[in-house]
Amino acid sequence: DAKTTQPPSMDCAEGRAANLPCNHSTISGNEYVYWYRQIHSQGPQYIIHGLKNNETNEMASLIITEDRKSSTLILPHATLRDTAVYYCIVRGEISNFGNEKLTFGTGTRLTIIP
Amino acid sequence: GAVVSQHPSRVICKSGTSVKIECRSLDFQATTMFWYRQFPKQSLMLMATSNEGSKATYEQGVEKDKFLINHASLTLSTLTVTSAHPEDSSFYICSAPRGAGGYEQYFGPGTRLTVT
Repeated sequence: DAKTTQPPSMDCAEGRAANLPCNHSTISGNEYVYWYRQIHSQGPQYIIHGLKNNETNEMASLIITEDRKSSTLILPHATLRDTAVYYCIVRGEISNFGNEKLTFGTGTRLTIIP
Repeated sequence: GAVVSQHPSRVICKSGTSVKIECRSLDFQATTMFWYRQFPKQSLMLMATSNEGSKATYEQGVEKDKFLINHASLTLSTLTVTSAHPEDSSFYICSAPRGAGGYEQYFGPGTRLTVT
């Protein structure tokens, strides 16, 4: 799986949009970009994933550049409960019914400031 | 609601004893589950892949005789830390893929193990 690079930490004011960048310059054509987050002392939580098109769900939006070498996770209206470590993960094409392990990097520690 | 549970959430054991951690998928079947370990202020490190009906696959550097994994049914995997030492104190987390293609992996809430 391709390696990802994220800033170690970011702050965002409550109510503002939080934009979390991720570089994955070695991503290959069949690899997906996944985002998870981990609130302190809890298990990680799935947020969103995409291949090449931008994606949006009830939690966030994922913007993937045209060359797919980077992406941005957007939390449109950050709340204090969004304070967590956010992990950007690149994984291969789903095969064998998705029985693929996830490799976590160091992530970005996002702090939402009141 | 939670789709993957772990039990116990916290456990304290004495050095040299063994402790079992359970991971259950609550409303779906999981032929594969994953076990991670997380030390304070560090990221999750995959320990092993638990396979229903067959032996677990361990990551490099993880002792299979120390961390026993049993995937006894399609909804239950157990991790047993044998002869625990203080350096085994950590946050243990399991996960399971769900749905067609397994696009989403659901993680358990984690188990905090403290070895005294």
